[in-house]
Amino acid sequence: NAGVMQNPRHLVRRRGQEARLRCSPMKGHSHVYWYRQLPEEGLKFMVYLQKENIIDESGMPKERFSAEFPKEGPSILRIQQVVRGDSAAYFCASSPTGLNSPLHFGNGTRLTVT
Amino acid sequence: KQEVTQIPAALSVPEGENLVLNCSFTDSAIYNLQWFRQDPGKGLTSLLLIQSSQREQTSGRLNASLDKSSGRSTLYIAASQPGDSATYLCAVTTDSWGKLQFGAGTQVVVTP
Repeated sequence: NAGVMQNPRHLVRRRGQEARLRCSPMKGHSHVYWYRQLPEEGLKFMVYLQKENIIDESGMPKERFSAEFPKEGPSILRIQQVVRGDSAAYFCASSPTGLNSPLHFGNGTRLTVT
Repeated sequence: KQEVTQIPAALSVPEGENLVLNCSFTDSAIYNLQWFRQDPGKGLTSLLLIQSSQREQTSGRLNASLDKSSGRSTLYIAASQPGDSATYLCAVTTDSWGKLQFGAGTQVVVTP
């Protein structure tokens, strides 16, 4: 059973470009979370999704950031018009039931904005 | 507002010593607490999950305790090995969605 798969592992974008980060949860997991780890900071919650629904996006900046988890295919975190401050490691995690089951994390996508 | 603190920020011990990592949180209204391990350049690996009604969880050389009323958890790693070198993170679940709030982590180095 493959773990949580994130791609790409590393992504370099120039300021103003778009970044698309993909996450395939573990098989049978319908709950997906995105977290961001800024340099010298801890992990911060961004958004929680179930299939075709955004449940909680309270940690996601209101502008330029969006997330989706379609019925078919991976979850996508999209950052439009990236700025240097978006440089960070973005982690996706999945679980089968949400609350009270351990989260399984992917290895992250390291975004560098030049 | 919930705040999660981990002390110390870094720890170095010789192989064979027991490790004691501390985590404190300011709001005792949590659903559970989890301990994770993060290796450089990698994702997080879940080590232990303690439900709010539990006092401790054990897995092999790892034991985690939870005192919800005082807002504390401790992770014990017995007979440390160089392979235990990593950053250890604790996180509390603060709502029914399973959203985690993380501490900044304790960076552990076990020297041979």
